[in-house]
Amino acid sequence: GAGVSQSPSNKVTEKGKDVELRCDPISGHTALYWYRQSLGQGLEFLIYFQGNSAPDKSGLPSDRFSAERTGGSVSTLTIQRTQQEDSAVYLCASSLAPTGLAGRDEQFFGPGTRLTVL
Amino acid sequence: DAKTTQPNSMESNEEEPVHLPCNHSTISGTDYIHWYRQLPSQGPEYVIHGLTSNVNNRMASLAIAEDRKSSTLILHRATLRDAAVYYCILMVLGAQKLVFGQGTRLTINP
Repeated sequence: GAGVSQSPSNKVTEKGKDVELRCDPISGHTALYWYRQSLGQGLEFLIYFQGNSAPDKSGLPSDRFSAERTGGSVSTLTIQRTQQEDSAVYLCASSLAPTGLAGRDEQFFGPGTRLTVL
Repeated sequence: DAKTTQPNSMESNEEEPVHLPCNHSTISGTDYIHWYRQLPSQGPEYVIHGLTSNVNNRMASLAIAEDRKSSTLILHRATLRDAAVYYCILMVLGAQKLVFGQGTRLTINP
């Protein structure tokens, strides 16, 4: 079956430009998560959606980062005025129910979008 | 966030069992133990999870210490495809995010 898909797979942009990254979760999954992985760094949480609302935005590094989710499905992560330190692989994951609700549900990850800011 | 400690790297041979340890001495009674792995150039992949009892699935087994302060992921017969970074994560009840540490980089020798 279809897994989590992300687009684009690669994005190269110039410093100061805005970028949008898209995530299509697995159909029927109510929870959606964004993470990022910088070169040589671990995976860090950015934001979590339950349906269309984002109860946890604690991982967004600055107000240049925002995300939305529409129709309980597709999500877009927007980075405004990109900086070189934003270069990373941005990963999206979804789960059938919120992982933390019962501590059980696994998260399914997409392949990621590799963002390079020149 | 509850912490886990894993060795930075481990090495094993193909077709041999691999035991990946994880210490989580500050685990609370409602924390689930999750394992994910990340193959090169891919997103993380769920492996297994458990609460108190040992667990088996098609990918691996999870052995949880009686006091729950440590656990071991067991790959019964490693293949080259099992070479990856393995993350041991405590899933705190009510917390939605996975908190990844540095994980263990597993190398499998042919």
